[in-house]
Amino acid sequence: DVKVTQSSRYLVKRTGEKVFLECVQDMDHENMFWYRQDPGLGLRLIYFSYDVKMKEKGDIPEGYSVSREKKERFSLILESASTNQTSMYLCASSLYRDRETQYFGPGTRLLVL
Amino acid sequence: GESVGLHLPTLSVQEGDNSIINCAYSNSASDYFIWYKQESGKGPQFIIDIRSNMDKRQGQRVTVLLNKTVKHLSLQIAATQPGDSAVYFCAENIRGYQKVTFGIGTKLQVIP
Repeated sequence: DVKVTQSSRYLVKRTGEKVFLECVQDMDHENMFWYRQDPGLGLRLIYFSYDVKMKEKGDIPEGYSVSREKKERFSLILESASTNQTSMYLCASSLYRDRETQYFGPGTRLLVL
Repeated sequence: GESVGLHLPTLSVQEGDNSIINCAYSNSASDYFIWYKQESGKGPQFIIDIRSNMDKRQGQRVTVLLNKTVKHLSLQIAATQPGDSAVYFCAENIRGYQKVTFGIGTKLQVIP
């Protein structure tokens, strides 16, 4: 079974703090994704990566950056957290050949005060 | 419950009955569709998928129907159980693109 893990389930940060969310997958997947999920808005893509050191902006990249130094790990960085970044953050990964099927981690619920 | 369930269409079903969850997709070029289940406090979980060259696909207690003419997708759950209570959402994709478009979701409540 595919396993996608996220470093924290719950996180509380203060406005202006730098926040790191880590995601690790153990199935040698090429593609990795970061989404945020908000009530009434569904899943919105922040960034994705199709290879090590490669990244592409999603639909809402503003205020975020990402890092993929190793194939199995994809990090989401909030350079200066703001209250409107309070959300559920979901990481996902997919195989290259079967890249449409994305497998998700458990999510990190971030509260920015 | 988790805030992901707020503002969602809700379907209430008696335990043991069949459930039908509907999804209208937006892009006529989409050729791959996925249903996900998200339980409270958890990430979405893959249930079943279907490609556009098929009209129907069956899994264990679940069936997905695709109607390309009206861009409609449905998920049927047979003999619904309390453990089926979750938010269900569909996703669409175009072959060759990594990005997937997700629906808002429907909350399924199973009444014991």
